[in-house]
Amino acid sequence: GAGVSQSPSNKVTEKGKDVELRCDPISGHTALYWYRQRLGQGLEFLIYFQGNSAPDKSGLPSDRFSAERTGESVSTLTIQRTQQEDSAVYLCASSTQRYEQYFGPGTRLTVT
Amino acid sequence: DQQVKQNSPSLSVQEGRISILNCDYTNSMFDYFLWYKKYPAEGPTFLISISSIKDKNEDGRFTVFLNKSAKHLSLHIVPSQPGDSAVYFCAARVGNFNKFYFGSGTKLNVKP
Repeated sequence: GAGVSQSPSNKVTEKGKDVELRCDPISGHTALYWYRQRLGQGLEFLIYFQGNSAPDKSGLPSDRFSAERTGESVSTLTIQRTQQEDSAVYLCASSTQRYEQYFGPGTRLTVT
Repeated sequence: DQQVKQNSPSLSVQEGRISILNCDYTNSMFDYFLWYKKYPAEGPTFLISISSIKDKNEDGRFTVFLNKSAKHLSLHIVPSQPGDSAVYFCAARVGNFNKFYFGSGTKLNVKP
C-alpha cells in the first residue's frame, strides 16, 4: 500500500519568505508527527497530532512555526519568515495505536 | 537536553561479523525503545523494538538488549551484511505520552 508521502521533496527559499510543507500520512493512521533533522544531527521532535488535535506542540522552535492537520488526513507545517537556521530535512511520520512510526522521505529545506 | 545519546557517530564492521550499536538514555520514565534504520535520501524505517519490562528481543539477525539499571540499549546484528550499511537511530518513548526522543544516529559501514 501507499506509504507516507511528503511534498515538496526539495525546497529552496530566500530568507524571510514563508514556506509550507505537506505530509500525507498512511490512510487510517491516527497519529502524525513532524521532526526536523539538521545536517549531522539526530531527529528533533517538533509536533504531534492525535487526529486533528495537537496535544504536544512543545517542540516547535519558535512562533514562526505552526502546523495543522485536517481530520486524520493531510498535515501542513508552515514556517513564516524563514531564517537560515531553518535549513534542514523535515520528516513526517504516522502511526496507529502501536508505537512504530512510518516515516516519509522528508522535505529538504534550504534557506538562502 | 539530549535524553537519548548515541556516542559513536560511526562504526565499521567486516561482512559476516557482529555489529553492536549502542545507545544510552537518561530518563527513567522511558517505557518503550525502538531502533530505526535510515538510508540516504529516505525516511527512517522501523527495525525492532523492546518494552521496558523486557531485557531482550530478537528478530532474525537483529537482537535488542536493554539494561535498565545502566540505562543502556544495544542493537546486535549477526551476521552483518553489506546491505545493513545505513544510519541507525535509537528512540525512546515516555510512558503515556506519544512523544519520542531520538538519538543522533550511528553510521554503520559493513565492508564486503
